[in-house]
Amino acid sequence: EVQLLVSGGGSVQPGGSLRLSCAASVNNYAMAWVRQAPGKGLEWVSAISAGGGTTYYADSVKGRFIMSRDKSKNTVYLGMNSLRVEDTAVYYCAKGRYAYYYGSGACHDSWGQGTLVTVSS
Amino acid sequence: QSVLTQPPSMSAAPGQKVTISCSGSSSNTGNNYVSWYQHVPGTAPKLLIYDNNKRASGIPDRFSGSKSGTSATLGITGLQTGDEADYYCGTWDSSLSAGVFGGGTKLTVL
Repeated sequence: EVQLLVSGGGSVQPGGSLRLSCAASVNNYAMAWVRQAPGKGLEWVSAISAGGGTTYYADSVKGRFIMSRDKSKNTVYLGMNSLRVEDTAVYYCAKGRYAYYYGSGACHDSWGQGTLVTVSS
Repeated sequence: QSVLTQPPSMSAAPGQKVTISCSGSSSNTGNNYVSWYQHVPGTAPKLLIYDNNKRASGIPDRFSGSKSGTSATLGITGLQTGDEADYYCGTWDSSLSAGVFGGGTKLTVL
């Protein structure tokens, strides 16, 4: 199982920004971000193909979050802008099973430990 | 409200069997592979089943998956207290072009 090291969480005011990082040797695989708000279930947030050329977003974050990857650093990022109170959650980084994410690729076989993002005034 | 529908909670005695359902539509479970995850609060989720019925590496054969039409099922036999967790189904939604999860099922082994 691949080790995924997640960092970048913290507290921010509504309207603020944060960037999460997920470091792992996963350059040949699609990656995703999944979050869990307090007392709620898992919510898929975003995904990126192995090459970084294709990204997908949940409607709830589209236009505000940007997922990217830097292969030279073996790191995947989630840039979060215009943060809202409802974005408060533990954010998990997850590895896909293939280089592509759609269809059978939307399956997560390794997960990071999660980082807490709190959006509050 | 989740795209995929799961029962919020289930319970069974140790040694018994439980089946957890996951209902969707033709744009998700009906035409894409389903995965199942075990999540103990405070820890990272774990992949149990992928491609509807294939067990992930290291997962005992007490766990099984199946799919028929737009519904998928996770079966757990020989329940153990260590199986107490939240269980989620997940898949790709071709209409949304997004991943989706069920609302989760809290399993209690009592």
